Amino acid sequence: EIVMTQSPATLSLSPGERATLSCRASQSVASNLAWYQQKPGQAPSLLIYRASTRASGVPARFSGSGSGTEFTLTISSLQSEDFAVYYCQQYNNWPPMYTFGQGTKLEIK
Amino acid sequence: EVQLVESGGGLVKSGGSLRLSCAASGFSFSRYSLIWVRQAPGKGLEWVSSISSTGRYIYQADSVKGRFTVSRDNAMNSLYLQMNSLRADDTAVYYCATVRDGYIDAFDMWGQGTMVTVSS
Repeated sequence: EIVMTQSPATLSLSPGERATLSCRASQSVASNLAWYQQKPGQAPSLLIYRASTRASGVPARFSGSGSGTEFTLTISSLQSEDFAVYYCQQYNNWPPMYTFGQGTKLEIK
Repeated sequence: EVQLVESGGGLVKSGGSLRLSCAASGFSFSRYSLIWVRQAPGKGLEWVSSISSTGRYIYQADSVKGRFTVSRDNAMNSLYLQMNSLRADDTAVYYCATVRDGYIDAFDMWGQGTMVTVSS
């Protein structure tokens, strides 16, 4: 099983600041990496797929980068609605055995 | 409007069974592979099961193999999860979602979830 590790567990920042979230895979997943945002009481929503492609309707302040085992989600200038939990997910195995990171909680400082 | 609506959750005793449903509308249901993901209270996301667009290919997490069965009815635009031999650690919100493209990809459309509580 590919293990996904996210850091930090919690990130405290102020609106307008830049957020950098990290995700590491225990083995290469190429660019088969997605990022999701989840707000309290809501389902997750897809932000980024294929490591760096924004999903439909996702603001340009969200960007993804990386390949292989190291990935980053960057939010260039935090808005109040961005404070949430973020999960990375790999989809590189065959047969499909999707795994998620444990999540990074982005909270208001 | 794209919609995925889960139902069938509830309170069940350990060893019992439940059948979850996911009703889809607003998109070409039969074109998409589908998945179930669960989230235990206060915890992260765990993939449970996948089914291809035709239902021919099915994949499951080791934690549910032999106990859970995924199926779909493309004529009814519906996805199902039959859960047997339920345990306390199956307690979670269960989400259905679409696979963005093909058999394996990110999950791009999600339902709102249905809560399953297994009492010991």
